[in-house]
Amino acid sequence: RKEVEQDPGPFNVPEGATVAFNCTYSNSASQSFFWYRQDCRKEPKLLMSVYSSGNEDGRFTAQLNRASQYISLLIRDSKLSDSATYLCVVAFSGGYNKLIFGAGTRLAVHP
Amino acid sequence: DAGVTQSPTHLIKTRGQQVTLRCSPKSGHDTVSWYQQALGQGPQFIFQYYEEEERQRGNFPDRFSGHQFPNYSSELNVNALLLGDSALYLCASSQVGAGPTDTQYFGPGTRLTVL
Repeated sequence: RKEVEQDPGPFNVPEGATVAFNCTYSNSASQSFFWYRQDCRKEPKLLMSVYSSGNEDGRFTAQLNRASQYISLLIRDSKLSDSATYLCVVAFSGGYNKLIFGAGTRLAVHP
Repeated sequence: DAGVTQSPTHLIKTRGQQVTLRCSPKSGHDTVSWYQQALGQGPQFIFQYYEEEERQRGNFPDRFSGHQFPNYSSELNVNALLLGDSALYLCASSQVGAGPTDTQYFGPGTRLTVL
């Protein structure tokens, strides 16, 4: 079983749609959680950290359920510029530590 | 403020050769981690350097080795290259103990092709 598993994708949605990505992790000792975004042939960039209470950044909302070992990302009012691969990431301690990535879910937003 | 830089951008090698990749961390960062990203996969942790020592290591063979210099820059060396080593090699820098916002910033990567 992979340590971090994500929806296989790809997700093809029209502009303005709401899209949700799900992720599960296998190690209950995981302490830190993130969503990274990766554009084609580019490096991953931190989209947002995920906190137990849930957090929101503009159109993006992240949720964490430690009991179910489940992480989600919701994107509202999708833009063409949101097209990318979204990587679910966990770490055993601080974010400076070893990051464990899921395989990513590709999102394509079309006009 | 310069971000994480890596060199070279692209590299083509043949099986059995050796390669050295270089990374300069973001200003103020003292920790460098290396990741390998195969096509269609998420990055896989290779190892991490802090205070010029390897602090953590992922599930990679000894053919993968590294070094960190006093200025915090780092090198990744891969010996006896295999076709399966073809991937994007990412360097990430961070600051230990930076608090709730500590995270890793990635460089643009080095794309290695082994023929």
